[in-house]
Amino acid sequence: GQSLEQPSEVTAVEGAIVQINCTYQTSGFYGLSWYQQHDGGAPTFLSYNALDGLEETGRFSSFLSRSDSYGYLLLQELQMKDSASYFCAVLDSNYQLIWGAGTKLIIKP
Amino acid sequence: NAGVTQTPKFRVLKTGQSMTLLCAQDMNHEYMYWYRQDPGMGLRLIHYSVGEGTTAKGEVPDGYNVSRLKKQNFLLGLESAAPSQTSVYFCASNRAPTNEKLFFGSGTQLSVL
Repeated sequence: GQSLEQPSEVTAVEGAIVQINCTYQTSGFYGLSWYQQHDGGAPTFLSYNALDGLEETGRFSSFLSRSDSYGYLLLQELQMKDSASYFCAVLDSNYQLIWGAGTKLIIKP
Repeated sequence: NAGVTQTPKFRVLKTGQSMTLLCAQDMNHEYMYWYRQDPGMGLRLIHYSVGEGTTAKGEVPDGYNVSRLKKQNFLLGLESAAPSQTSVYFCASNRAPTNEKLFFGSGTQLSVL
């Protein structure tokens, strides 16, 4: 079966750096996406990696290793507004997004 | 800049009732999707459409029907609601399946009693 594994919850301190990992097992792979979802809101796109390596967008970076079926989202200079759930999702060979269960990021002052 | 608009935002149904959720997008996207999200779980694809007049089943299609009569609209129907269909429903769209960015509507909280 297809599956994505990510931690259910991560806690960090304001101003710190946090990494959210995602491992996947899917039928085919086109790319790994990350989405942010605040409580009561809709998912919003953060990043997409199709090739190995690190993609940086402001305070957020995303990494992919296709050989390890692994990726991570790195959030720097954490702010209270970053408190949200973060989802990884893989675009599989059927061009469908397979979603992880999400990681709740708790930020403490 | 409306993007993706879903209606209604909230709805309470009794078991056996029917309803239709409406999704509209103004970005001229070919692909549209209906997802459900349950607590502690990621999004699960119900049905999707690759263009006007087409629909296809996703991961959890049972109990739902869809229609895409116009490119900008994607309707999700529940013919006979069941408590197991209590969930948050999200509509999304993008230009193409390999386009990495999905645009989401604000969601519909549905409770079936």
